[in-house]
Amino acid sequence: KNQVEQSPQSLIILEGKNCTLQCNYTVSPFSNLRWYKQDTGRGPVSLTIMTFSENTKSNGRYTATLDADTKQSSLHITASQLSDSASYICVVSEENSGGGADGLTFGKGTHLIIQP
Amino acid sequence: ETGVTQTPRHLVMGMTNKKSLKCEQHLGHNAMYWYKQSAKKPLELMFVYNFKEQTENNSVPSRFSPECPNSSHLFLHLHTLQPEDSALYLCASSQDPGTGLMGTEAFFGQGTRLTVV
Repeated sequence: KNQVEQSPQSLIILEGKNCTLQCNYTVSPFSNLRWYKQDTGRGPVSLTIMTFSENTKSNGRYTATLDADTKQSSLHITASQLSDSASYICVVSEENSGGGADGLTFGKGTHLIIQP
Repeated sequence: ETGVTQTPRHLVMGMTNKKSLKCEQHLGHNAMYWYKQSAKKPLELMFVYNFKEQTENNSVPSRFSPECPNSSHLFLHLHTLQPEDSALYLCASSQDPGTGLMGTEAFFGQGTRLTVV
């Protein structure tokens, strides 16, 4: 069964500090992995997408890594801001699913709180 | 603004009521989805529509009834719900190439926060 496990479940850090969120998956065959940011009461918004051949990808203060051999991904947030407070969801897509959203396996998310 | 609009944003309904959730996408996508998000649980796929045809129903109770009149609009009709149905209901759309190749990402609406009393 395809699974996506995220850790930690929740995290509180001070504004300006860095943090790293983890995602382990068992989805096979693997197509791609996305990190979404979900603000409270809103829909998820994509931060980055990682394919099999990509190890690192940055989007501003967000840097995602992927190790396809160990089936692990991380999301590193640099110099955190109050607006980074949100849930961060790891989503893995299965190959040959047609690419639609029905071939996605979602993690439970990491709830990040940035304190002033 | 992701191009996917859901209304209403919040809904409180009694167990005997009938209500509908609406989703509209302005992205020209050919596939639309309903997801349920309960507290501390992963997003659960409920229904999939591809080119207006329902292609998946993930064992969802019949008190949830989807309708897709065209490729831009998706509804979720609700009747005789239970308190455990209270959750955030998310609509998403994507361009499904159906070729087995890496597809485009799913764009989510802001969701409808549903409370059943």
